[in-house]
Amino acid sequence: ETGVTQTPRHLVMGMTNKKSLKCEQHLGHNAMYWYKQSAKKPLELMFVYSLEERVENNSVPSRFSPECPNSSHLFLHLHTLQPEDSALYLCASSQDAGVFAGELFFGEGSRLTVL
Amino acid sequence: QQQVKQSPQSLIVQKGGIPIINCAYENTAFDYFPWYQQFPGKGPALLIAIRPDVSEKKEGRFTISFNKSAKQFSLHIMDSQPGDSATYFCAASGAGTYKYIFGTGTRLKVLA
Repeated sequence: ETGVTQTPRHLVMGMTNKKSLKCEQHLGHNAMYWYKQSAKKPLELMFVYSLEERVENNSVPSRFSPECPNSSHLFLHLHTLQPEDSALYLCASSQDAGVFAGELFFGEGSRLTVL
Repeated sequence: QQQVKQSPQSLIVQKGGIPIINCAYENTAFDYFPWYQQFPGKGPALLIAIRPDVSEKKEGRFTISFNKSAKQFSLHIMDSQPGDSATYFCAASGAGTYKYIFGTGTRLKVLA
């Protein structure tokens, strides 16, 4: 495996379900990100982890819960979501999240549909 | 102040044409301006980036033009090909931050 891999690629869930998105980076990077991509909107930064420590929680509702057990893995736990949460969720990594993040390397995304 | 405004929303050109995508920003603290390219079913990937100390940067058929006084930058694709059909995002970032502010994206279609 190379780059940033995300699973599952597609997820359909009801509003009362609990599910998780997984991201793994094979680049040796120190920072990992969750972005939300909705049609005709800018990419929306949700969470940032640097060396497994959360450094950003961009006013994201508590129904989204991130977890970063090590610098290579990132999870997004989902529970009691709303239909408006349907979107493409992108994981990204960068060399660092300090003075300058540098190039973001994105995964292919997890397409989430909330019924 | 944190917005990056991108236009047009969509663009159709003939093969060999030169599509131009424009972005404007307000925050003068931004000092790094990348463009990302996203194909359907894929994540965005860095295409080219510029810092405000230069007015133009070329990489292959892709050129960024930067106008610091106008706080605008644009992407030009020379001799466009059908394989360039994708969504293009501009972004901006400031010193000392990992935050990128992205534009809303431009969906480009190059006709064969």
